[in-house]
Amino acid sequence: LAKTTQPISMDSYEGQEVNITCSHNNIATNDYITWYQQFPSQGPRFIIQGYKTKVTNEVASLFIPADRKSSTLSLPRVSLSDTAVYYCLVPLYNQGGKLIFGQGTELSVKP
Amino acid sequence: ETGVTQTPRHLVMGMTNKKSLKCEQHLGHNAMYWYKQSAKKPLELMFVYSLEERVENNSVPSRFSPECPNSSHLFLHLHTLQPEDSALYLCASSQDPSGNIQYFGAGTRLSVL
Repeated sequence: LAKTTQPISMDSYEGQEVNITCSHNNIATNDYITWYQQFPSQGPRFIIQGYKTKVTNEVASLFIPADRKSSTLSLPRVSLSDTAVYYCLVPLYNQGGKLIFGQGTELSVKP
Repeated sequence: ETGVTQTPRHLVMGMTNKKSLKCEQHLGHNAMYWYKQSAKKPLELMFVYSLEERVENNSVPSRFSPECPNSSHLFLHLHTLQPEDSALYLCASSQDPSGNIQYFGAGTRLSVL
């Protein structure tokens, strides 16, 4: 199983760049890395997905080194509204892409 | 707006009541899911439906009964629940059963008294 490990919590200030690193040592060849964001009392929201190197969208960037055993979600210039829990997931390709959610990283952005 | 709508948003029920949670997706997806999220705990996958057939049941107690009449609608029927069943129940859908990118509803906050 491609279990993921990420920091339980992080603090930041408005305007800073935030990088959240996730390790997934047992990632398989066909696995993608997916990040979700969850606000309190809401469902998780898909942010970004990648397989290798770098992926960028209007919300974030995802950096994946060549060995793919880790990935880093980068949030540019965070605001108070980015305070949320961020989940790194590796859908289990050999089990129908089943999502196993861990504790996630609770990001707190301060003024 | 994620394209996945859950009703009701909040529900309070006694242990002897019977109630149902409803989920509707407007994304044309073929797979739908129920998750449970208890306070300060990770999301737990409960049920997976693909093309209206249940493909996974994660050892969920029989007091939770899912129903998927078509690919756009998913229900979770509740009866004789326990206080520890109080949680946020989330519905999600994905294009296919691989579930690689799932779109979640806002959830139903359930309190069992």
